Amino acid sequence: EVQLVESGGGLVQSGGSLRLSCAVSGFALRTYWMTWVRQAPGKGLEWVANIKQDGNEKYYVDSVKGRFTISRDNARNSLYLQMNSLRAEDTAVYYCAREDVTTGDFDYWGQGTLVTVSS
Amino acid sequence: QSALTQPASVSGSPGQSITISCTGTSRDVGGYNYVSWYQQHPGKAPKLMIFDVSNRPSGVSHRFSGSKSGNTASLTISGLQAEDEADYYCSSKTSSNTYVFGSGTKVTVL
Repeated sequence: EVQLVESGGGLVQSGGSLRLSCAVSGFALRTYWMTWVRQAPGKGLEWVANIKQDGNEKYYVDSVKGRFTISRDNARNSLYLQMNSLRAEDTAVYYCAREDVTTGDFDYWGQGTLVTVSS
Repeated sequence: QSALTQPASVSGSPGQSITISCTGTSRDVGGYNYVSWYQQHPGKAPKLMIFDVSNRPSGVSHRFSGSKSGNTASLTISGLQAEDEADYYCSSKTSSNTYVFGSGTKVTVL
């Protein structure tokens, strides 16, 4: 069974940092692109970043470029999102998702972890 | 990267059919068949309902179907049921190798 479990969320002050983790099981992480998606309270989904199987290609939404870094450790079956210079508008539930790059969709999702940035 | 445009809400009675539109540009929806749709119930993670414009993952009801014309994709739910009441989001890959989601549509079963 495919499972994705996020952790690392919490309350942080504006300007602070947080590192999210996503532990995966039930599939070979090294064979998939992976993605982070966020959802602000009461708002819609926003794609944040993705990373290629070997970690050598990464893409970001403009609003987080230079502040967030996506990474992965295939040996540890884990995906990460390092978030620096956090702003109030980064407050959201952050989901990790498995990306099927051949069909351009996100077929499995974690349950999400809440990040709250206080100003 | 502006969100794709979806109607804020759509409603229908049980058994009816409804359609949700998703309008983008030639740099996303119109340029690729990488359009997918997600269902999200309150407090839950999104669930993939349609991929590649019109394909259903295993386990998704045949009552859900997708299509695309130009820069607009559509999701149709036939035989509307109470359990279909949820938020729905479209998504498309973009020419920048990123992704963009739609603004979301709340479906209400009357």
